[in-house]
Amino acid sequence: IAGITQAPTSQILAAGRRMTLRCTQDMRHNAMYWYRQDLGLGLRLIHYSNTAGTTGKGEVPDGYSVSRANTDDFPLTLASAVPSQTSVYFCASSPSGGDSGTDTQYFGPGTRLTVL
Amino acid sequence: GQNIDQPTEMTATEGAIVQINCTYQTSGFNGLFWYQQHAGEAPTFLSYNVLDGLEEKGRFSSFLSRSKGYSYLLLKELQMKDSASYLCAVRDRDYKLSFGAGTTVTVRA
Repeated sequence: IAGITQAPTSQILAAGRRMTLRCTQDMRHNAMYWYRQDLGLGLRLIHYSNTAGTTGKGEVPDGYSVSRANTDDFPLTLASAVPSQTSVYFCASSPSGGDSGTDTQYFGPGTRLTVL
Repeated sequence: GQNIDQPTEMTATEGAIVQINCTYQTSGFNGLFWYQQHAGEAPTFLSYNVLDGLEEKGRFSSFLSRSKGYSYLLLKELQMKDSASYLCAVRDRDYKLSFGAGTTVTVRA
């Protein structure tokens, strides 16, 4: 069982380029999330999806878009990358989307993105 | 939004006990989580509290006081492998997690 996979592991990108970070889970979880993690700021929610076909904005959504065409995949797209988007990006999933018991979030290994 | 505070760094000796405090101000509260994150790795779930009191899980325990907006994670019988960042996260009224900046614990021999 792979759990959650992310690709690429790391990427160096020129400013202005378009980039899609991939996330796939095989746990049949309903909810998926994208976070960025920056030193001293902790994990911040970018976008989320409570179920296939729906998405929502988190704390820091500007410059990012997501789609949820099916249960397993939740790609994050940077339409025109800027240096402030240099960060480590984590994808996560949870069984129900929040209101069921602990509904623990499980995290992927992360993508380290550098925008020059 | 949420305001979640925890110390930046703590150092302790192998075999000792360390307590990591977390205070929060929240717009609605639906539980508090603790995650462990080793350097360069993903966060992994440690504990969950939604009612006041202590939850014990092996060497790790977590405490919650909702009236005080306060939690702590207690790590007992510290081992070198416990050197990591520990993240406090609050689930808000929309069932989304807000994370503190994390506490880096260094265990010394």
